[in-house]
Amino acid sequence: EDQVTQSPEALRLQEGESSSLNCSYTVSGLRGLFWYRQDPGKGPEFLFTLYSAGEEKEKERLKATLTKKESFLHITAPKPEDSATYLCAVQIVGNEKLTFGTGTRLTIIP
Amino acid sequence: DAGVIQSPRHEVTEMGQEVTLRCKPISGHDYLFWYRQTMMRGLELLIYFNNNVPIDDSGMPEDRFSAKMPNASFSTLKIQPSEPRDSAVYFCASSFWTGNTGELFFGEGSRLTVL
Repeated sequence: EDQVTQSPEALRLQEGESSSLNCSYTVSGLRGLFWYRQDPGKGPEFLFTLYSAGEEKEKERLKATLTKKESFLHITAPKPEDSATYLCAVQIVGNEKLTFGTGTRLTIIP
Repeated sequence: DAGVIQSPRHEVTEMGQEVTLRCKPISGHDYLFWYRQTMMRGLELLIYFNNNVPIDDSGMPEDRFSAKMPNASFSTLKIQPSEPRDSAVYFCASSFWTGNTGELFFGEGSRLTVL
């Protein structure tokens, strides 16, 4: 069975304090790994797609990386507006559906 | 485009009542997904459609749940009869075939409370 595990469940950082969120996965044939951001009371919003080990994607203060077993979302010098829940999801070969992890709730303290 | 539109945004009902949630996907998108989100289990896929045809409904909890997509611009998720354990936020999402069907566009969700 496909599994996606995110850690930590929650993370509090001071503004400007860099850190990383982890997403480990066990799937039978990875087609893509996706990162989403979810603000309270809103639907998830797409951030990145990663397709193969070694791939990296960047957007502002966020950088996502992928290995054969896990993905990291690195956040550099975060700001309070980066506070949100970050979700990762996997898509397997031959199927369009996404299986989501339970997310990391990130809080950036001014 | 206005994005994915869901209604109602909030629904409070009593156990045993029928609940219908509605979704209008983004025009031109040919995939539609229904997800349920709870604190305990996170986001779970219930069912998805491609070109209005149900492809995978293995996530539908039981026969009390049903979903339809009568045309490309409308889908419903129905719960009959509803139970307190169905309380959750239900999301509809759509995407289109560009090689990256994992880029889903989510609506703002329908928060269901069953008393």
